[in-house]
Amino acid sequence: AQSVAQPEDQVNVAEGNPLTVKCTYSVSGNPYLFWYVQYPNRGLQFLLKYITGDNLVKGSYGFEAEFNKSQTSFHLKKPSALVSDSALYFCAVSPLNSGYSTLTFGKGTMLLVSP
Amino acid sequence: DVKVTQSSRYLVKRTGEKVFLECVQDMDHENMFWYRQDPGLGLRLIYFSYDVKMKEKGDIPEGYSVSREKKERFSLILESASTNQTSMYLCASQGDREGNTIYFGEGSWLTVV
Repeated sequence: AQSVAQPEDQVNVAEGNPLTVKCTYSVSGNPYLFWYVQYPNRGLQFLLKYITGDNLVKGSYGFEAEFNKSQTSFHLKKPSALVSDSALYFCAVSPLNSGYSTLTFGKGTMLLVSP
Repeated sequence: DVKVTQSSRYLVKRTGEKVFLECVQDMDHENMFWYRQDPGLGLRLIYFSYDVKMKEKGDIPEGYSVSREKKERFSLILESASTNQTSMYLCASQGDREGNTIYFGEGSWLTVV
């Protein structure tokens, strides 16, 4: 069975500084990897995904993520954080050839960007 | 843009009541999902459906059932609501190709008293 670990419940960063939200995964075979963001009292919004190809994936709102197969990681990054980036971030994995492509989510990381 | 609509954003129900949560998507997606979100537990899959009238149990199906009579609509049913089903419920849909993005609705906050 697949699993996702987001080792930090909360990440604090000052506005303008780079941010990293960590994600590691466990899956049989090759994975599909996703990042979603959730603002208060809202649903999840898709940020980016890795399917195949280039290990650096660019997504919405200036976010990017790097797939590292040897470390089974898919960390989310942004060069310069904004206060408006403060939200709950979820990493998710689905194995290739899984049929129905159900996602397994991590428990989420709260990102707080201070002015 | 994909739109997944959950008709009820906030509900308060009494213990033992039958509860229907409705979800409609407008992208002709084959796959639809119901997740439950709780603090510290992340998202957990309750049920999913890959076709009309088809359903599959997820990780936590106990106490829930689903209905998919039309392709665009996927309903979650709590036959007899209990206080431990107080939660945020998220509906999602996905096109029928591996790696397709799953799109979420805005969520339904259910409180069972």
